[in-house]
Amino acid sequence: EIVLTQSPGTLSLSPGERATLSCRASQSVSSSYLAWYQQKPGQAPRLLIYGASSRATGIPDRFSGSGSGTDFTLTISRLEPEDFAVYYCQQYGSSPQYTFGQGTKLEIK
Amino acid sequence: QVTLRESGPALVKPTQTLTLTCTFSGFSLSTSGMCVSWIRQPPGKALEWLALIDWDDDKYYSTSLKTRLTISKDTSKNQVVLTMTNMDPVDTATYYCARIPSGSYYGWFDPWGQGTLVTVSS
Repeated sequence: EIVLTQSPGTLSLSPGERATLSCRASQSVSSSYLAWYQQKPGQAPRLLIYGASSRATGIPDRFSGSGSGTDFTLTISRLEPEDFAVYYCQQYGSSPQYTFGQGTKLEIK
Repeated sequence: QVTLRESGPALVKPTQTLTLTCTFSGFSLSTSGMCVSWIRQPPGKALEWLALIDWDDDKYYSTSLKTRLTISKDTSKNQVVLTMTNMDPVDTATYYCARIPSGSYYGWFDPWGQGTLVTVSS
């Protein structure tokens, strides 16, 4: 099973700053099958990025994804107040099987 | 507009079987490539994938939970049902259903239902 490790666990930033979230896989992941989700308290996760770098419908262009192999990054170019939430990466492996990272909490500094 | 909604008991006793229903609209599970999946999240913890059923009625389960899970679909009712046997307090979680869009080749979950909290306690 592929393990996804997200860092940092908590990121404290101010609105307007740039956020960089990391997702590292225990073995190589196809870029086609790496996704990012945003989850706000009391809400279901929302798809942000699929295929490592494609934005989902309706997602602002301040969100971007990059990476390949075992290292992937979610970048929020300029934080808005509504961006403070928990972010999860997810990979799809053969069989199929899916794993999620443990999450990065983005909090207001 | 694609929507999914989970329903089922809020409280189950240890050793009982949990049955959850996902009722969806805005898409057909008969469409090639379409799938519906179940994912859970214990309070304050990360997400865990449980099971998936595809348009062709193929079923896939989490390796760690497969002996306890059964997923099925009723295409005419736009419903997917998950059963989990031998419930334990560690199974206390919010259970989500989510669509895997056709064209994603089983890749990602979009959108998700609102989730239903299931507590396992005697």
